[in-house]
Amino acid sequence: GAGVSQSPSNKVTEKGKDVELRCDPISGHTALYWYRQSLGQGLEFLIYFQGNSAPDKSGLPSDRFSAERTGGSVSTLTIQRTQQEDSAVYLCASSRVTGAGANVLTFGAGSRLTVL
Amino acid sequence: AQSVTQPDIHITVSEGASLELRCNYSYGATPYLFWYVQSPGQGLQLLLKYFSGDTLVQGIKGFEAEFKRSQSSFNLRKPSVHWSDAAEYFCAGHQTGANNLFFGTGTRLTVIP
Repeated sequence: GAGVSQSPSNKVTEKGKDVELRCDPISGHTALYWYRQSLGQGLEFLIYFQGNSAPDKSGLPSDRFSAERTGGSVSTLTIQRTQQEDSAVYLCASSRVTGAGANVLTFGAGSRLTVL
Repeated sequence: AQSVTQPDIHITVSEGASLELRCNYSYGATPYLFWYVQSPGQGLQLLLKYFSGDTLVQGIKGFEAEFKRSQSSFNLRKPSVHWSDAAEYFCAGHQTGANNLFFGTGTRLTVIP
């Protein structure tokens, strides 16, 4: 697609429920990132996918968080047994590494998660 | 540890005044550096990037940034601010071969008439 698409744009859930957030990256972008932005905070790296390589999961805050990327394209971030501290905007980005070796990320509009 | 730091949480400037947003980096080697802008309810938009070469880089919307190795800084500037520039600005960076783009905590810009 023309941009990075995320859904849902807003999700309200009850504590203890599972949620799935979806990201559809730009066609041809091999790298995909998930970040979390809490109120008044910067962006917290969660997970990174690059091609067929094993994902970098070093930023996932707990084992309740997981992500997968199917067919090297669409990604789903799953949060199990949600807690109130999981409330945040979850941002997805994709990139095509440039010839200079830099990752120029294009971000989606985000999925705002509210856990009651 | 690799990081970028934005020392100013909130800056207020008058419309038409000049602007400088500070960013300091902490990397062993010259990193790739970026500035992103996030308008209310919007995703992050890339303003400009520095890879190598000219230390003064031009971006969109009239913004520029200067890489200063001696000061470990990559400050964002604009000579004349417009009301539409009110937004959150994020500095980010990563090293060659690194997966993770580290973001600063952001600087919120308020523009007053």
